Amino acid sequence: DTGVSQNPRHKITKRGQNVTFRCDPISEHNRLYWYRQTLGQGPEFLTYFQNEAQLEKSRLLSDRFSAERPKGSFSTLEIQRTEQGDSAMYLCASSLVGFQETQYFGPGTRLLVL
Amino acid sequence: GENVEQHPSTLSVQEGDSAVIKCTYSDSASNYFPWYKQELGKGPQLIIDIRSNVGEKKDQRIAVTLNKTAKHFSLHITETQPEDSAVYFCAAGGGGFKTIFGAGTRLFVKA
Repeated sequence: DTGVSQNPRHKITKRGQNVTFRCDPISEHNRLYWYRQTLGQGPEFLTYFQNEAQLEKSRLLSDRFSAERPKGSFSTLEIQRTEQGDSAMYLCASSLVGFQETQYFGPGTRLLVL
Repeated sequence: GENVEQHPSTLSVQEGDSAVIKCTYSDSASNYFPWYKQELGKGPQLIIDIRSNVGEKKDQRIAVTLNKTAKHFSLHITETQPEDSAVYFCAAGGGGFKTIFGAGTRLFVKA
């Protein structure tokens, strides 16, 4: 399978704990995106990388959120001191930079904060 | 800010009928309009896209139309089948890196 993969698929944590999610993009793709999706809504942009550089962050991404893509391949999204409002599906997508590029999504990580 | 509105939020059709989902966007710089299908517990999957230099595109039972003047675009599914039941998202992008998604349409196809 050469699509976007995400791990874990599900995560249940207690409020105040830290969590980390991983995304492996399609191998030749140099752009990687993180989105958050809540029930009944479309994906909301959080941040994106071109190679290892984080080029944009949404105002949705509070100081408790941090994302990295250290070698321009896989990426991690960490949420510190989780809150119940962080419960959502976290989606990763990747694309090959170019004119009007298409984003391909992974299966997502569903986070539940108790 | 940029916005994509999608209607209806829920659509129920009989198997074999057609389904139409409509979207409007606000950013006039948008020039790329993908449609995604999302099944329960899965990530969105691209089903078709259209770019601003064409007005219509068809792929088997799925077609998209784009009216850039009115900032409208639509998804048409003909001869619907139960496996078409899912949530469909429109999106508008191309104004830089950002793609803005609609809130989704839950399509039910009744056998």
